[in-house]
Amino acid sequence: DGGITQSPKYLFRKEGQNVTLSCEQNLNHDAMYWYRQDPGQGLRLIYYSQIVNDFQKGDIAEGYSVSREKKESFPLTVTSAQKNPTAFYLCASSTQRGAKNIQYFGAGTRLSVL
Amino acid sequence: KQEVTQIPAALSVPEGENLVLNCSFTDSAIYNLQWFRQDPGKGLTSLLLIQSSQREQTSGRLNASLDKSSGRSTLYIAASQPGDSATYLCAVETGANSKLTFGKGITLSVRP
Repeated sequence: DGGITQSPKYLFRKEGQNVTLSCEQNLNHDAMYWYRQDPGQGLRLIYYSQIVNDFQKGDIAEGYSVSREKKESFPLTVTSAQKNPTAFYLCASSTQRGAKNIQYFGAGTRLSVL
Repeated sequence: KQEVTQIPAALSVPEGENLVLNCSFTDSAIYNLQWFRQDPGKGLTSLLLIQSSQREQTSGRLNASLDKSSGRSTLYIAASQPGDSATYLCAVETGANSKLTFGKGITLSVRP
Protein backbone atom coordinates (compact mmCIF):
# COMPACT_ATOMS: atom_id res chain seq x y z
CA ASP A 1 0.00 0.00 0.00
CA GLY A 2 1.23 3.49 -0.79
CA GLY A 3 1.16 5.99 1.98
CA ILE A 4 2.79 7.68 4.92
CA THR A 5 3.69 5.73 8.03
CA GLN A 6 4.28 7.43 11.35
CA SER A 7 5.63 5.60 14.37
CA PRO A 8 5.14 5.15 17.18
CA LYS A 9 1.45 5.95 17.59
CA TYR A 10 1.99 6.95 21.23
CA LEU A 11 5.22 8.22 22.80
CA PHE A 12 6.14 9.29 26.28
CA ARG A 13 9.03 11.60 27.11
CA LYS A 14 10.81 11.97 30.40
CA GLU A 15 12.17 15.27 31.63
CA GLY A 16 15.38 16.22 29.83
CA GLN A 17 15.07 13.45 27.26
CA ASN A 18 15.25 13.75 23.48
CA VAL A 19 12.77 11.63 21.52
CA THR A 20 12.53 10.91 17.79
CA LEU A 21 9.35 10.51 15.80
CA SER A 22 9.55 8.50 12.61
CA CYS A 23 7.93 9.39 9.28
CA GLU A 24 8.33 7.21 6.18
CA GLN A 25 6.62 7.58 2.80
CA ASN A 26 6.56 5.37 -0.27
CA LEU A 27 4.72 7.82 -2.50
CA ASN A 28 7.92 9.05 -4.16
CA HIS A 29 7.10 12.57 -3.00
CA ASP A 30 9.81 15.22 -2.96
CA ALA A 31 8.41 17.40 -0.18
CA MET A 32 7.77 16.40 3.42
CA TYR A 33 6.40 18.35 6.38
CA TRP A 34 6.02 18.14 10.15
CA TYR A 35 3.08 19.78 11.91
CA ARG A 36 2.07 20.10 15.53
CA GLN A 37 -1.61 20.10 16.56
CA ASP A 38 -2.82 21.20 20.00
CA PRO A 39 -6.41 20.69 21.21
CA GLY A 40 -8.83 23.05 19.48
CA GLN A 41 -6.05 24.44 17.32
CA GLY A 42 -5.17 24.24 13.69
CA LEU A 43 -1.95 22.69 12.49
CA ARG A 44 1.26 24.64 12.92
CA LEU A 45 4.28 23.96 10.73
CA ILE A 46 7.46 22.86 12.51
CA TYR A 47 9.86 21.99 9.67
CA TYR A 48 9.61 21.16 5.99
CA SER A 49 11.88 19.71 3.34
CA GLN A 50 11.50 20.06 -0.40
CA ILE A 51 14.43 17.88 -1.37
CA VAL A 52 16.88 15.42 0.14
CA ASN A 53 19.58 16.98 2.34
CA ASP A 54 17.70 20.27 2.59
CA PHE A 55 15.11 21.51 5.08
CA GLN A 56 13.73 24.80 6.37
CA LYS A 57 12.27 26.00 9.65
CA GLY A 58 8.55 26.49 9.86
CA ASP A 59 6.66 28.73 12.25
CA ILE A 60 7.51 26.90 15.49
CA ALA A 61 10.91 25.21 14.95
CA GLU A 62 12.45 26.03 18.34
CA GLY A 63 13.15 22.90 20.38
CA TYR A 64 12.89 20.58 17.37
CA SER A 65 15.36 19.19 14.83
CA VAL A 66 15.02 17.17 11.63
CA SER A 67 17.10 15.39 9.02
CA ARG A 68 16.41 14.39 5.41
CA GLU A 69 19.08 11.89 4.40
CA LYS A 70 16.73 9.83 2.27
CA LYS A 71 13.79 10.82 0.09
CA GLU A 72 11.51 8.41 1.93
CA SER A 73 12.31 9.46 5.47
CA PHE A 74 11.94 12.67 7.49
CA PRO A 75 12.42 12.00 11.24
CA LEU A 76 11.62 14.66 13.83
CA THR A 77 13.52 14.93 17.11
CA VAL A 78 11.85 16.68 20.01
CA THR A 79 14.71 17.94 22.15
CA SER A 80 14.84 18.74 25.85
CA ALA A 81 14.77 22.41 24.85
CA GLN A 82 11.11 22.03 23.86
CA LYS A 83 9.43 22.83 27.18
CA ASN A 84 5.87 22.03 26.17
CA PRO A 85 6.10 19.02 23.86
CA THR A 86 2.73 17.43 24.67
CA ALA A 87 0.80 17.48 21.38
CA PHE A 88 -0.33 15.47 18.36
CA TYR A 89 2.36 15.42 15.66
CA LEU A 90 1.47 14.95 12.01
CA CYS A 91 3.77 14.25 9.09
CA ALA A 92 2.77 14.99 5.50
CA SER A 93 4.22 14.75 2.02
CA SER A 94 3.43 16.23 -1.39
CA THR A 95 4.69 15.94 -4.91
CA GLN A 96 4.00 19.28 -6.56
CA ARG A 97 4.38 22.87 -5.66
CA GLY A 98 2.12 25.65 -6.76
CA ALA A 99 -1.40 25.19 -8.00
CA LYS A 100 -2.03 21.56 -7.20
CA ASN A 101 -0.05 20.79 -4.07
CA ILE A 102 -2.11 18.12 -2.30
CA GLN A 103 -0.58 17.12 1.00
CA TYR A 104 -1.06 13.56 2.22
CA PHE A 105 -0.94 12.93 5.94
CA GLY A 106 0.14 10.12 8.21
CA ALA A 107 -1.98 8.90 11.14
CA GLY A 108 -0.03 10.93 13.67
CA THR A 109 2.01 10.40 16.84
CA ARG A 110 0.66 11.52 20.20
CA LEU A 111 3.49 12.67 22.48
CA SER A 112 3.02 13.05 26.22
CA VAL A 113 5.39 14.06 29.01
CA LEU A 114 5.84 11.74 32.02
CA LYS B 1 0.88 37.20 7.49
CA GLN B 2 -1.85 34.89 6.25
CA GLU B 3 -4.59 34.07 8.75
CA VAL B 4 -7.36 31.54 8.24
CA THR B 5 -10.57 31.65 10.25
CA GLN B 6 -13.31 29.07 10.59
CA ILE B 7 -16.47 29.97 12.47
CA PRO B 8 -18.25 28.45 14.31
CA ALA B 9 -15.87 26.07 16.07
CA ALA B 10 -18.59 23.43 16.40
CA LEU B 11 -21.86 22.61 14.68
CA SER B 12 -24.58 20.05 15.39
CA VAL B 13 -27.27 19.23 12.82
CA PRO B 14 -29.91 16.52 12.32
CA GLU B 15 -29.31 13.86 9.72
CA GLY B 16 -30.43 14.77 6.20
CA GLU B 17 -29.81 18.49 6.52
CA ASN B 18 -27.82 20.36 3.87
CA LEU B 19 -25.13 22.46 5.49
CA VAL B 20 -22.45 25.00 4.74
CA LEU B 21 -19.09 25.34 6.46
CA ASN B 22 -17.31 28.66 6.12
CA CYS B 23 -13.64 29.57 5.82
CA SER B 24 -12.10 33.02 5.46
CA PHE B 25 -8.52 34.12 4.79
CA THR B 26 -6.80 37.48 4.97
CA ASP B 27 -4.36 37.39 2.02
CA SER B 28 -6.04 36.78 -1.33
CA ALA B 29 -2.75 35.93 -3.10
CA ILE B 30 -3.16 32.18 -2.75
CA TYR B 31 -2.13 29.27 -4.95
CA ASN B 32 -4.94 27.05 -3.79
CA LEU B 33 -7.32 26.24 -0.95
CA GLN B 34 -7.92 22.78 0.45
CA TRP B 35 -10.58 21.26 2.64
CA PHE B 36 -9.54 18.39 4.89
CA ARG B 37 -11.42 15.98 7.12
CA GLN B 38 -9.99 14.77 10.45
CA ASP B 39 -11.54 11.99 12.51
CA PRO B 40 -10.74 11.95 16.26
CA GLY B 41 -7.13 10.95 16.93
CA LYS B 42 -6.40 10.47 13.24
CA GLY B 43 -4.51 12.22 10.47
CA LEU B 44 -6.01 14.49 7.84
CA THR B 45 -7.67 13.37 4.63
CA SER B 46 -7.82 15.79 1.69
CA LEU B 47 -11.41 16.25 0.50
CA LEU B 48 -11.19 18.93 -2.18
CA LEU B 49 -8.54 21.25 -3.58
CA ILE B 50 -9.52 24.43 -5.44
CA GLN B 51 -6.82 26.08 -7.48
CA SER B 52 -6.67 29.86 -7.46
CA SER B 53 -8.02 30.03 -11.02
CA GLN B 54 -11.07 27.90 -10.16
CA ARG B 55 -14.31 28.85 -8.47
CA GLU B 56 -15.52 25.47 -7.27
CA GLN B 57 -14.86 21.75 -7.03
CA THR B 58 -17.25 18.88 -6.46
CA SER B 59 -16.85 15.38 -5.11
CA GLY B 60 -19.96 13.33 -4.44
CA ARG B 61 -22.09 15.14 -1.85
CA LEU B 62 -19.38 17.75 -1.27
CA ASN B 63 -19.03 21.03 -3.12
CA ALA B 64 -16.40 23.64 -2.30
CA SER B 65 -16.42 27.17 -3.65
CA LEU B 66 -13.75 29.84 -3.65
CA ASP B 67 -14.07 33.63 -3.84
CA LYS B 68 -10.50 34.90 -3.82
CA SER B 69 -11.36 38.57 -3.97
CA SER B 70 -13.41 38.42 -0.79
CA GLY B 71 -11.12 35.87 0.89
CA ARG B 72 -13.82 33.26 1.42
CA SER B 73 -14.52 29.61 0.78
CA THR B 74 -17.48 27.43 1.63
CA LEU B 75 -17.82 23.67 1.88
CA TYR B 76 -21.35 22.51 1.10
CA ILE B 77 -22.40 19.07 2.35
CA ALA B 78 -25.62 17.75 0.89
CA ALA B 79 -27.93 15.38 2.74
CA SER B 80 -25.68 15.05 5.79
CA GLN B 81 -25.17 11.62 7.40
CA PRO B 82 -23.89 10.55 10.84
CA GLY B 83 -20.75 9.32 9.07
CA ASP B 84 -19.98 12.91 8.13
CA SER B 85 -19.30 13.68 11.80
CA ALA B 86 -15.68 14.85 12.00
CA THR B 87 -13.57 18.00 12.14
CA TYR B 88 -13.28 19.89 8.86
CA LEU B 89 -10.23 22.09 8.33
CA CYS B 90 -9.48 24.47 5.52
CA ALA B 91 -5.97 25.46 4.52
CA VAL B 92 -4.52 27.90 2.01
CA GLU B 93 -1.22 27.77 0.21
CA THR B 94 0.44 31.14 -0.25
CA GLY B 95 3.89 32.33 -1.20
CA ALA B 96 6.92 30.17 -1.77
CA ASN B 97 7.78 26.70 -0.53
CA SER B 98 4.29 25.16 -0.66
CA LYS B 99 3.50 26.08 2.93
CA LEU B 100 -0.07 25.65 4.11
CA THR B 101 -1.80 27.86 6.65
CA PHE B 102 -4.60 26.07 8.47
CA GLY B 103 -7.76 27.23 10.19
CA LYS B 104 -8.63 25.75 13.59
CA GLY B 105 -11.37 23.60 12.10
CA ILE B 106 -15.10 23.10 12.56
CA THR B 107 -16.22 20.05 14.53
CA LEU B 108 -19.38 18.72 12.92
CA SER B 109 -21.81 16.38 14.62
CA VAL B 110 -24.65 14.89 12.57
CA ARG B 111 -27.38 13.49 14.83
CA PRO B 112 -29.28 10.36 13.69
